[in-house]
Amino acid sequence: GNSVTQMEGPVTLSEEAFLTINCTYTATGYPSLFWYVQYPGEGLQLLLKATKADDKGSNKGFEATYRKETTSFHLEKGSVQVSDSAVYFCALGGGANNLFFGTGTRLTVIP
Amino acid sequence: DSGVTQTPKHLITATGQRVTLRCSPRSGDLSVYWYQQSLDQGLQFLIQYYNGEERAKGNILERFSAQQFPDLHSELNLSSLELGDSALYFCASSPGELGRTGELFFGEGSRLTVL
Repeated sequence: GNSVTQMEGPVTLSEEAFLTINCTYTATGYPSLFWYVQYPGEGLQLLLKATKADDKGSNKGFEATYRKETTSFHLEKGSVQVSDSAVYFCALGGGANNLFFGTGTRLTVIP
Repeated sequence: DSGVTQTPKHLITATGQRVTLRCSPRSGDLSVYWYQQSLDQGLQFLIQYYNGEERAKGNILERFSAQQFPDLHSELNLSSLELGDSALYFCASSPGELGRTGELFFGEGSRLTVL
């Protein structure tokens, strides 16, 4: 079945550090892949997505590349800011009616 | 602001009780999704409605039920509550079926505490 395995947190980084949050998936076919972000006290919102192999999604300085050969979709950012502190969720498109979410990774960026 | 409204924001109740959580989707969105977020289980898909009809079911307990009304708002009913039902319940909406776009618009959630 479809599933997403996400890097355990929490992750604490200093401002301007490099960020990687690992995400691997198991799926039949070629699903779309997503990263959602949840800021404190808010609901989740879409950060970026990739709909086919080798696609790179990017937004707000974050990037992730859809790697079919390693079934991965790792989230990266070259220089994190305090305002990036949030919980990040990797998700996999489960067809027309569902998204499968990972367990979330809490990122804290300290000045 | 995603445009999705959930009420109540916080709810404290006792075991064995029944509660109703309400969701108003973004204007024009036909699909409503319910998710449960607990500390140890992450974000679990419960159920989806499209234009009043149930379309997909996830790990929803038999004690839970939902419906989507003609004005497209949705309610999630939780009954015979147990301590383990304490969680943050999210509603999300999308214009139609998810397809490959995958963009859901989430409300801020309803935090349920069962004592």
